[in-house]
Amino acid sequence: DAKTTQPTSMDCAEGRAANLPCNHSTISGNEYVYWYRQIHSQGPQYIIHGLKNNETNEMASLIITEDRKSSTLILPHATLRDTAVYYCIVRAYSNDYKLSFGAGTTVTVRA
Amino acid sequence: DVKVTQSSRYLVKRTGEKVFLECVQDMDHENMFWYRQDPGLGLRLIYFSYDVKMKEKGDIPEGYSVSREKKERFSLILESASTNQTSMYLCASSPNAAANYGYTFGSGTRLTVV
Repeated sequence: DAKTTQPTSMDCAEGRAANLPCNHSTISGNEYVYWYRQIHSQGPQYIIHGLKNNETNEMASLIITEDRKSSTLILPHATLRDTAVYYCIVRAYSNDYKLSFGAGTTVTVRA
Repeated sequence: DVKVTQSSRYLVKRTGEKVFLECVQDMDHENMFWYRQDPGLGLRLIYFSYDVKMKEKGDIPEGYSVSREKKERFSLILESASTNQTSMYLCASSPNAAANYGYTFGSGTRLTVV
């Protein structure tokens, strides 16, 4: 699986949009981009995933660049409960069941 | 919503004890996984199962075994607990291995071996 690069940390004001970048410059054509988050002392939570097109669900939007070498997770109206570590992962459909979580981005939403 | 339930949030066991960590999912998922999470090491896969009674070793199976007698339940067994097995243990499930499904994780069991 390709590796990802994310900023170590970022702050966001409550009620504002939070834009979380992720670089995956060696991504392969069959690899999806996944985002998970982990709130302190809880298990990781799936947020969203995409292959080429931008995606939106009730939690977030995922913007993938045309060359697929980077993506941005957008939390449209951040709340204090969005404070967590956010992980960007790339993974292909295969028999490889491993999820490789890097260090992620620690997002702190401030009132 | 899919729920993955781990039987204990916190557990303290003595060195040498046999430890059972239980995980149950309620959405008829084919695949179940056990990970451990340690600071600086991320999530590491211990074992996974893609069907009842089927299991595959992950990256760090030594010192662990698993059991999946029913589709909804996946147990992790520490045959003889050691202090280096002190960790956060996470169970996850997914419908299948296809990349277009996310994994659902449980809340984790923080195990301390003394």
